[in-house]
Amino acid sequence: SAVISQKPSRDICQRGTSLTIQCQVDSQVTMMFWYRQQPGQSLTLIATANQGSEATYESGFVIDKFPISRPNLTFSTLTVSNMSPEDSSIYLCSVEKTGVGTDTQYFGPGTRLTVL
Amino acid sequence: RKEVEQDPGPFNVPEGATVAFNCTYSNSASQSFFWYRQDCRKEPKLLMSVYSSGNEDGRFTAQLNRASQYISLLIRDSKLSDSATYLCVVTTSGTYKYIFGTGTRLKVLA
Repeated sequence: SAVISQKPSRDICQRGTSLTIQCQVDSQVTMMFWYRQQPGQSLTLIATANQGSEATYESGFVIDKFPISRPNLTFSTLTVSNMSPEDSSIYLCSVEKTGVGTDTQYFGPGTRLTVL
Repeated sequence: RKEVEQDPGPFNVPEGATVAFNCTYSNSASQSFFWYRQDCRKEPKLLMSVYSSGNEDGRFTAQLNRASQYISLLIRDSKLSDSATYLCVVTTSGTYKYIFGTGTRLKVLA
């Protein structure tokens, strides 16, 4: 498995501001992922962050709104830019680890964001 | 049609009961299958992978039916601590992307 931490755990932000979320993992991993979980919904993948390359964004998510950094194999950041109340959500990072027979994702504790 | 579909529940069952959830997926090229558990206000945690031959871990049994494109999770002798949302996850051959179902809520009642 993996031990993953996220900062901040929660925040309340004003419309129009930006928030950067940090994700730290206790071992080197190739693939890190950022998800969003809106209230009462399941998880939606925002982007995949590989070290040394640009993040790959899913349909409906763009780099200008959700810039991602991946400076090394244990760390990534996601910025939620120019926030609006619709961005209120839980943001989770995950990492992929190779297991017996299959690769598995492990999740950080999430960042609960409220935009006023 | 959603790629991964689950009955949202809630399933309310008494302690000691056996409960089963199904999850259907639309892409016949789907390759890997998982059940995750998510407690309220917590992150999803891997419960078990689902193998073609089926697999069991204590009170939990997972099955895969490729012909009918569904996976199932059976929980025997339910405990109060089993109360959570159970998320079905599917990946497609050649990709790393996890596709999540909306989850099935389970409440085990004393």
